[in-house]
This record gives sequence, C-alpha cells and structure tokens, in this order.
Amino acid sequence: DTEVTQTPKHLVMGMTNKKSLKCEQHMGHRAMYWYKQKAKKPPELMFVYSYEKLSINESVPSRFSPECPNSSLLNLHLHALQPEDSALYLCASSQEGTGKTYEQYFGPGTRLTVT
Amino acid sequence: AQTVTQSQPEMSVQEAETVTLSCTYDTSESNYYLFWYKQPPSRQMILVIRQEAYKQQNATENRFSVNFQKAAKSFSLKISDSQLGDTAMYFCAFISGNTPLVFGKGTRLSVIA
Repeated sequence: DTEVTQTPKHLVMGMTNKKSLKCEQHMGHRAMYWYKQKAKKPPELMFVYSYEKLSINESVPSRFSPECPNSSLLNLHLHALQPEDSALYLCASSQEGTGKTYEQYFGPGTRLTVT
Repeated sequence: AQTVTQSQPEMSVQEAETVTLSCTYDTSESNYYLFWYKQPPSRQMILVIRQEAYKQQNATENRFSVNFQKAAKSFSLKISDSQLGDTAMYFCAFISGNTPLVFGKGTRLSVIA
C-alpha cells in the first residue's frame, strides 16, 4: 500500500480565516513533506518532518504553520493567507527523511483558493 | 546547488508509438537517486521509475525505461507503446543525502489517438 491521503480535496477561504490541511499515511514512513505547487510548475518544498521533528523549513512565511502529531499524521495550519497563496498543496512521505535518498510518495493534494 | 533541466516543455506522440523525454542534471555528488514522476490532469503525482546512481544497469518498469548516462549527467525516459492514459506532466527529479528532492520544470506529454 503506497497511499497518502489528504483532506479536504478543495478549500476556499478568506484572508481572515483559519483553516487546516490534513495528511495521513499508513506505510510506516518516518518522513513527511509539504509542497506547494502552482499551475504548470513543479512542486516547491515547504517543510520536512523527520521522525516527527521539523528538519527543514524552506523560509516559509509564518502564516503557514506545520504540525506533526504523530508519525502517520501531518497538518498544515493556515492563517491570514494572501491570494497568491492559492495553489495545490501536496503532502508526501518517504521511508526516512533528511540525509536519505528514499523515493517520496505523494497524496492527491488539496486545491486551495484564497479569496 | 543541484539543478535538474528538462529542455522539452511540451511533446506529443501518437498512440502505440515510442517517445523519449530528456532530462539532464548537475551535481558534484557521487551517491544520489533519480526519479521520473507522472502527474496526470487529475493531479496525483505518481512515481514512474527510479534509478540509483551506483547502478550501471538502466531501470525498467513495464513500458517505461530509462537511459542513464552518469558521465554525461543525463537521465531520459522512454515510453513504449504509448497509451492515452500516459497523457500527463512528467517531472524528472534528483535526490541525494545532502539535497532534498529537486524537480525539473516538467514536460507536458500528450498522447494522440
């Protein structure tokens, strides 16, 4: 089973709202990732969690707040977003994280629209 | 910094024909992995094939195969017997122990009936 699930599939939020994106995997992977993808562009890495600890933050604005409650779950808390934050947000997982070369498995993404 | 270059923004191929997507990369590291990912219009990013840099043998997965030229830092993807379901954006990607996954800009492939 190489499934990564993400909820919700679509999200529309105003600039003053607070919302959360959720990601789950049951492959026993110890690394999880958040990517942002704009239309017709490759994914851009935002955060990496390795063994439930934040190991990489690619200078992401503080209006994006990641959380890893346990090794199977990854959340992305959103607050005071801007219209330019509208994008597809992809979650991924891999067997291990930083310093390793394992392939990543991606979820279907959440299409976020900020109005 | 590691870079991945896909020089073909768009390509098309007739159904049942063969097509090759190009990818070059730049790195000074000796231990790394290369991947091809497929992202159909439904948007799910799917791993197509992987290649370990230390392996000389080219990876194959059913109709998908790679031509890995380590000295030339080239990693092309060949799709044989193209099917309509192969229509997607294809991303070449690089990862090493010191570098998170780095993607190329992608090649949009259209399979024409």
